[in-house]
Amino acid sequence: DGGITQSPKYLFRKEGQNVTLSCEQNLNHDAMYWYRQDPGQGLRLIYYSQIVNDFQKGDIAEGYSVSREKKESFPLTVTSAQKNPTAFYLCASRDRGRDTQYFGPGTRLTVL
Amino acid sequence: GQQLNQSPQSMFIQEGEDVSMNCTSSSIFNTWLWYKQDPGEGPVLLIALYKAGELTSNGRLTAQFGITRKDSFLNISASIPSDVGIYFCAGQNAGGTSYGKLTFGQGTILTVHP
Repeated sequence: DGGITQSPKYLFRKEGQNVTLSCEQNLNHDAMYWYRQDPGQGLRLIYYSQIVNDFQKGDIAEGYSVSREKKESFPLTVTSAQKNPTAFYLCASRDRGRDTQYFGPGTRLTVL
Repeated sequence: GQQLNQSPQSMFIQEGEDVSMNCTSSSIFNTWLWYKQDPGEGPVLLIALYKAGELTSNGRLTAQFGITRKDSFLNISASIPSDVGIYFCAGQNAGGTSYGKLTFGQGTILTVHP
């Protein structure tokens, strides 16, 4: 099956702890993205990567970090510096040929 | 930064009715995308629009890329209960360091009463 996987589906952490969210794709897409979604709001871009070993900050990068060591993987770390980390996190990858983005199923992070 | 205004915020309709929603932008986009999101899931791509004036259909869905490149609309005909969800528009830039970056509207929550 081709697609984007995110794990886990639900994640609970204590305040002050860093947490890493996984995103893997087997679509052979070069570009990958991380978005945050809060209730009743649209998606906001956290970080994106257009190619392996390269990434750029999106609109709300503060308190987050990423790495892109492999084409298939784009993990997101939510650090203790993120003031309001509880949210639904979505990963996407981009089909350059169709100029579109496809999303994973999301991870709901709750910080207690 | 760029902003998208999507309207309406929510709609409550009877099964069988047609639905229309739209997005407007303060600046130009090169691609418009429409997504549907079910609760607790990732958005699913419905329609992609690539050219100003383009009108594209996908089953009961029809979307258009505005001539000015600053707006787009989505119509759903003969709605059914499984159309329930949140619909998002997204505009995409091309070129430079923003290549492929999407800007999303706030979403339209659709409720269909049987």
